[in-house]
Amino acid sequence: DQQVKQNSPSLSVQEGRISILNCDYTNSMFDYFLWYKKYPAEGPTFLISISSIKDKNEDGRFTVFLNKSAKHLSLHIVPSQPGDSAVYFCAASAETSGSRLTFGEGTQLTVNP
Amino acid sequence: NAGVTQTPKFRVLKTGQSMTLLCAQDMNHEYMYWYRQDPGMGLRLIHYSVGEGTTAKGEVPDGYNVSRLKKQNFLLGLESAAPSQTSVYFCASRRPPSPLHFGNGTRLTVT
Repeated sequence: DQQVKQNSPSLSVQEGRISILNCDYTNSMFDYFLWYKKYPAEGPTFLISISSIKDKNEDGRFTVFLNKSAKHLSLHIVPSQPGDSAVYFCAASAETSGSRLTFGEGTQLTVNP
Repeated sequence: NAGVTQTPKFRVLKTGQSMTLLCAQDMNHEYMYWYRQDPGMGLRLIHYSVGEGTTAKGEVPDGYNVSRLKKQNFLLGLESAAPSQTSVYFCASRRPPSPLHFGNGTRLTVT
């Protein structure tokens, strides 16, 4: 039972354009959501997060949007840069599950110069 | 500032062999985790620990054991390796409410 799903295995965009990565979840108990970025041969690194009491969080070129009614979140990267090419994982946790994070399958983003 | 260090980086095992993966963190984090990453399946939690001397099962614990004898170390053991355990293993640690800090992974192949 995949509680966090990233339906697009890959996404390709041009440098300078917007990248939009999507994530859906099924567990209504999830109340905290994160995005991690992973380069080859490295561990994932934290990018941005959002609490369920908000619907938007922005950090520089990265913005995460949360639509609780649709159980959907998205990561926007504007403008996209070639260095953003990586695998992006969506993750979620519920206060009731302690510190356990549930991850999506990941989306490979390629930003072409 | 090492952060989270995993050893070894690569390992090849034959079916039935045993091994231990070591994770060490120097950030004095209470919580530590072991995940495995497989193509198309994201990161799945194997076991985790919320403090020295405590461990708990994650989503996919079968075939693995863990120990947290010291706060800075979290060991993942495979008693009898199987080809299905071929994967990339990531250790992570955190001090709530901060996010997870990951190591760079151990690539394990079981033939």
